Amino acid sequence: GAGVSQSPSNKVTEKGKDVELRCDPISGHTALYWYRQSLGQGLEFLIYFQGNSAPDKSGLPSDRFSAERTGGSVSTLTIQRTQQEDSAVYLCASSFFLGSGGANEQFFGPGTRLTVL
Amino acid sequence: QQQVKQSPQSLIVQKGGISIINCAYENTAFDYFPWYQQFPGKGPALLIAIRPDVSEKKEGRFTISFNKSAKQFSLHIMDSQPGDSATYFCAASSRRARDTGRRALTFGSGTRLQVQP
Repeated sequence: GAGVSQSPSNKVTEKGKDVELRCDPISGHTALYWYRQSLGQGLEFLIYFQGNSAPDKSGLPSDRFSAERTGGSVSTLTIQRTQQEDSAVYLCASSFFLGSGGANEQFFGPGTRLTVL
Repeated sequence: QQQVKQSPQSLIVQKGGISIINCAYENTAFDYFPWYQQFPGKGPALLIAIRPDVSEKKEGRFTISFNKSAKQFSLHIMDSQPGDSATYFCAASSRRARDTGRRALTFGSGTRLQVQP
């Protein structure tokens, strides 16, 4: 596919369960971002991956959140022991990497809507 | 701390009218200011972006006006059409001091635009 894909599109889980959300970035994009969009709010940065470098986890809200990116491509966001306040749309974006000098367009996936009951 | 403040929350415009959305930022390190358009169930898509070295950028019916001294920027949609009905987000990013290339976007809270036929 030409765009960023995410799965599942919707996820309903019970409080306390773990969930995994998947992101497939655009081929050739080495930069990958996860954002969270709460109802009626703007997007909140969670984590950033660039190539094989250590991820920038500065936006993760708690240690229940983690993410990995295998082979510099697909990324998985894991939320352990989910809480009701974790309910949101989780969006993934990818872009080319221009180093510190440039800002490149971030292409967003359709998101995963997570509902924690 | 909300670094990008967006207004109004919602906007109703008649077809053919001008839609104006405003944003203000606090972080003077921001050097890239994109606007994103989001339709229900979709991820945000880049509409237009500006850097602080210019005061205006126009692409078709969409114009960004930028006031560096006031730390404000706005989106103008000329000849608004029903198909423009969507949520619009302003955003900003800056280079991090450590050269990771991270360009995480800080988003405004969004404006829901309805263009009435």
